[in-house]
Order: sequence, then structure tokens, then C-alpha cells
Amino acid sequence: GDSVTQMEGPVTLSEEAFLTINCTYTATGYPSLFWYVQYPGEGLQLLLKATKADDKGSNKGFEATYRKETTSFHLEKGSVQVSDSAVYFCALSNFGNEKLTFGTGTRLTIIP
Amino acid sequence: GAVVSQHPSRVICKSGTSVKIECRSLDFQATTMFWYRQFPKQSLMLMATSNEGSKATYEQGVEKDKFLINHASLTLSTLTVTSAHPEDSSFYICSAREIGTYTDTQYFGPGTRLTVL
Repeated sequence: GDSVTQMEGPVTLSEEAFLTINCTYTATGYPSLFWYVQYPGEGLQLLLKATKADDKGSNKGFEATYRKETTSFHLEKGSVQVSDSAVYFCALSNFGNEKLTFGTGTRLTIIP
Repeated sequence: GAVVSQHPSRVICKSGTSVKIECRSLDFQATTMFWYRQFPKQSLMLMATSNEGSKATYEQGVEKDKFLINHASLTLSTLTVTSAHPEDSSFYICSAREIGTYTDTQYFGPGTRLTVL
């Protein structure tokens, strides 16, 4: 079945540091890939998505590129802020299946 | 756009009582809504898929008689936790997929924290 493997956290960085959160997947066909962010005490918000190979999703300074050859969708940001502290979930959806398959989440803490 | 609300945001109840959680899509219509459960510091576990006008589809291991789901309209789905017990305490999150769009993006509600005493 489909699965998503995320880099284990927690991750602690200083403000303005470069961020990478690794995500790899196993899926049949051509899934869509997502990054969701969950701020403390809140539900999930869609951060970015990519629907086909070599697509780059981007939002709020975050980027992730759909790499079919390495089955990866790593999340990156060039300069993190304290407000980026949250839990980040990588997920995939195989079209027609409707269900989202989530990774375990990576807790990110940015210190001033 | 694409806002999903949940009510209540927090609920505390006594063991043995039933609790209803509402999930609404505020600015779009959703034929399909999903209910998830999230344990502390863990990922989301899909409980069931709710389709407007039909019975919900439950994931393996989820008791359908305990977690009653009703998708009464294109903007409202409800989850009722019947005869709640302390082990049902959790963060329940719903999501919705917009009708008529060929997108697999789900929009999530803010979650409901249930505490059963």
C-alpha cells in the first residue's frame, strides 16, 4: 500500500537558518504530494502541493519539488522565522482513492 | 476561500454520555468529508469517509456503532461519539473535498478536542 516516510523530529533551528525536512513516499501510479502544517492547538493547513513529476510547490517561502526518480518531496525554506514553529506533515493522495496518507509529522521549533 | 469549521472546538464530558461534533464547509459544497483522529504528538488516523446522502465508509478497526457519522447536506457532516469513555479522549479533525473539482486537495477544520472524564 501507499506510505509516506518523514524525517523524525523534533527539529530545532535558529532564526534565519536553512530548513530541510525530508519526505519520501511509496505509491502506485502517480500520486499528488502535499505538505500540511499544524500550528499548536489547531487543525491542518495546506502549505503546498504538487501533482506531477518535477512540479514545484511553493508558499510562504517554503518549497518542495516532486522528484519521481527518488520518490521524494523534501520541504525547504531558505530562512526560517520563529512563526514557522509548527508540526509539518507530508502526505500523498492517489487520485481516485480520495484518501490522504500522512507521514508521522515533524515538529519544528525555531529559536530567536 | 475553502474554509472548514468545526464545533465545538473543545468539549469535556462525563463517561457514558454522547458527544456530537459538527463539521461545516463554509464557502463551498463538499460531497465528501473525512474524519480523522489525532493522538498526542502523532499523525492523523483516518476514521471514516463521509459521503452526502449515503452511509459512511469506516476504516478497519473503527467501530461504526460507536462513532456515528451523518452527512446530512453538502455543507455539513456530524460525528457522534456514543457512550464516550476516557480512551475516546483525543483531537478529532474533519476535512472536506470540494464538489465538482477534479482536485484531491482536502481542506481541514481546526479540530475538536474531546476530553472524557
